Amino acid sequence: QSVLTQPPSTSGTLGQRVTISCSGSSSNIRTNSVNWYQQLPGTAPKLLLYSNNQRPPGVPDRFSGSKSGISASLVISALQSEDGADYYCATWDDNLNGPLFGGGTKLTVL
Amino acid sequence: EVQLLESGGDLVQPGGSLRLSCVASGFTFSSDAMSWVRQAPGKGLEWISGISARTGTTYVVDSVKGRFTVSRDNSKDTLYLQMSSLRPEDTAVYYCAKGLRNWFDSWGQGTLVTVSS
Repeated sequence: QSVLTQPPSTSGTLGQRVTISCSGSSSNIRTNSVNWYQQLPGTAPKLLLYSNNQRPPGVPDRFSGSKSGISASLVISALQSEDGADYYCATWDDNLNGPLFGGGTKLTVL
Repeated sequence: EVQLLESGGDLVQPGGSLRLSCVASGFTFSSDAMSWVRQAPGKGLEWISGISARTGTTYVVDSVKGRFTVSRDNSKDTLYLQMSSLRPEDTAVYYCAKGLRNWFDSWGQGTLVTVSS
């Protein structure tokens, strides 16, 4: 089944640690690396993490990622006000024969 | 600096056609696979089509198969999406993105396609 499941929303206070989960299946996360994208309000998505846990240049080290089995997680170690955004996991799906995005998680900074 | 500039979005009637373009700069366009990703109003991201770098092998999601065709002109550093038999559910912002099999490391600003009578 070609679906990546994320919680629709989450929230946290400044400085708090926040985790966003991404659950898939054997046709996607189990056999392929996971990437994460951040979409600030009214803007295009931006690559946040690639290959499960690699940060592109310019991405703060408070963002980290991990993958185990058919699940992946994005962790923000100390939430900042500018982190309020939508976050999407994505990976290649062997059944789809193409990239697959999760439904997205809206992160609200309280 | 990588730049991707989409154009061609418009208001079109159901059953109509439209061609989107994405002009790339700041990297060797012919060496990179490219994709189209769309986002319906208030919804999440959906990859819909991609094309490999050199062979031009195309990939397309089932929901647009037979209606949308991706192509590229490496001499013009341009990616295209030809859309036909458009439906209201195709209404979305269409993003051009650099990448396909691995990750999308650069995105355009998007172009809005509205399908409505």
